[in-house]
Amino acid sequence: EVQLVESGGGLVQPGGSLRLSCAASGFTFSSYCMSWVRQTPGKGLEWVANIKQDGSEKYYMDSVKGRFTISRDNAKNSLYLQMNSLRAEDTAVYYCARGCRSFYWGQGTLVTVSS
Amino acid sequence: QSALTQPPSASGSPGQSVTISCTGTSSDVGGYNYVSWNQQHPGKAPKLIIYEVSKRPSGVPDRFSGSKSGNTASLTVSGLQAEDEADYYCSSYAGSNVVFGGGTKLTVL
Repeated sequence: EVQLVESGGGLVQPGGSLRLSCAASGFTFSSYCMSWVRQTPGKGLEWVANIKQDGSEKYYMDSVKGRFTISRDNAKNSLYLQMNSLRAEDTAVYYCARGCRSFYWGQGTLVTVSS
Repeated sequence: QSALTQPPSASGSPGQSVTISCTGTSSDVGGYNYVSWNQQHPGKAPKLIIYEVSKRPSGVPDRFSGSKSGNTASLTVSGLQAEDEADYYCSSYAGSNVVFGGGTKLTVL
């Protein structure tokens, strides 16, 4: 069974940083492109970033370029999202997802950016 | 404003069929056969129910079907059941990224 378990969310002040982690199991992690997708009540679902199987290619939504970094460790079956210079508008539930064209979803982790 | 356009709501009685549309452009829905549909119950994570326009993941009932014509994709739920009441989001590959619809709340009357 595919399992994706996110961690690392929480409350952070504007301008702060957080690192999200996603532990994958139930499939061959190194064979899959992986993504982060976020959900807010106001903007719905938003694709954030993706990374190819070997980490050689990474893509980001415009509003997080230069602030967020997606990475993976295939030996640890783990996906990461380093989020710097956080803004209030980054407040959302962040989902780890298997795939880059369609998604199998994790359960999500809440990130709240507020002073 | 979402990149893909979905009706905000849809409804049907148990046993009936309902179709939800998802309209994009030639840069997303019309340009790739990578349209997906995701079901989300309140307080839960989304669940993939259709991928690559019309394929169903293992375990998804065949009451759910997908199709595409031009820049518009559709999800049809046949034989509506109470547990189908949820939010439904379409998504489409758009080159190096994915775009989503704003979601449709399906109510089973």
